[in-house]
Amino acid sequence: EVQLLESGGGLVQPGGSLRLSCAASGFISSRYGMSWVRQAPGKGLEWVSGIISGGRTYHADSVKGRFTISRDNSKNTLFLQMNSLRAEDTALYYCAKEVVSADYGYYFDCWGQGTLVTVSS
Amino acid sequence: QSVLTQPPSVSAAPGQKVTISCSGSSSNIGNNYVSWYQQLPGTAPKLLIYDNNERPSGIPDRFSGSKSGTSATLGITGLQTGDEADYYCGTWDSSLSAWVFGGGTKLTVL
Repeated sequence: EVQLLESGGGLVQPGGSLRLSCAASGFISSRYGMSWVRQAPGKGLEWVSGIISGGRTYHADSVKGRFTISRDNSKNTLFLQMNSLRAEDTALYYCAKEVVSADYGYYFDCWGQGTLVTVSS
Repeated sequence: QSVLTQPPSVSAAPGQKVTISCSGSSSNIGNNYVSWYQQLPGTAPKLLIYDNNERPSGIPDRFSGSKSGTSATLGITGLQTGDEADYYCGTWDSSLSAWVFGGGTKLTVL
């Protein structure tokens, strides 16, 4: 069974750092694109960062220069290093597995349950 | 302000049909496939539709998707109270080099 389990969330002060992890099971995560998607309390989904199977990374403008996505293929784990955190980064952070269809369409076919990040003094 | 535009809410009676629109531009919906996600209260999003109109295994055929130009539509027939959820459209934006989502539509089954 394909599963994603996020961890590492918590309460952090503005300007602080946090490292999120996403442990994948039931599939080899290095063969797929993976992303972090966040949801602020009572708000919609916002894509944060993604990494493709070849290792290239992408980040939303709102986090560029502050967040870094990476993966440890030996541990089948995805990471999100978050620095210079702001109050507006407060959200539930989901990791999601990205699939490419036969027609080269991209979509997220599996999501974790999320880990909550709260940025507050 | 989301790159993709969805109505904030829709409602219909049990057994009826509802459609949810998702409007974008040539850099996203116009040139890329659209997927739809259902988020039941207090749970993670779940894939509902991919490649504009394909359903993953396990998704009933009451759910359908379509795309025309720079807009996409999710259709739900035979509404059930269990369909009450937030629905999001999403796609890749080639200009932004980023995934973009709609703001979400809350479905109420009256």
